[in-house]
Amino acid sequence: AQTVTQSQPEMSVQEAETVTLSCTYDTSESDYYLFWYKQPPSRQMILVIRQEAYKQQNATENRFSVNFQKAAKSFSLKISDSQLGDAAMYFCAYRRGSNSGGGADGLTFGKGTHLIIQP
Amino acid sequence: DAGVIQSPRHEVTEMGQEVTLRCKPISGHDYLFWYRQTMMRGLELLIYFNNNVPIDDSGMPEDRFSAKMPNASFSTLKIQPSEPRDSAVYFCASSATPGLVIDEQFFGPGTRLTVL
Repeated sequence: AQTVTQSQPEMSVQEAETVTLSCTYDTSESDYYLFWYKQPPSRQMILVIRQEAYKQQNATENRFSVNFQKAAKSFSLKISDSQLGDAAMYFCAYRRGSNSGGGADGLTFGKGTHLIIQP
Repeated sequence: DAGVIQSPRHEVTEMGQEVTLRCKPISGHDYLFWYRQTMMRGLELLIYFNNNVPIDDSGMPEDRFSAKMPNASFSTLKIQPSEPRDSAVYFCASSATPGLVIDEQFFGPGTRLTVL
């Protein structure tokens, strides 16, 4: 079974600074996707960024970027120029690729990292 | 599009009562997922459907839980009888069939269930 581990229960960063959230995963599959979701106090799950395992290039979405190390099974999220609105729970998630089993599949989540932005 | 719709947003019930949570997926999506979020266990997949057919229900905790999808625009998650340990936030998500692009799962706002 796949597992996702987020070793940082809580992180704190000064506004405008950069912070990196860690995530490791375990899988025997070769085709999979990785995601970072943000959950603000409203509890709405918001997709921040996604990465296909077959792509070597790290995904980037504005101030959010990932460091995907496939051999090490590591998938960290970097938030640059942190803003107060970035304060939330961040979840790393894994999904098996469609080629691995056909069709879509459910997400396996880590336990989350609570990100605090200090003004 | 209105996004994934869940009702009710909050539910408070007493132990032993039947609880029904409802979900309307995004139109055109043919995958529907039910997740549960608790402090102890985090976010976990309960069951998912493809074209209204249950594909994987291995995450359903026990026989007290059941889920149905009678048509493409409606799904229910029922707990009977409910127990205090069922207290959690229940999310519904939907996605399109994987193709040449990644199928993003869109989440509903969740239903916060409290069983007294």
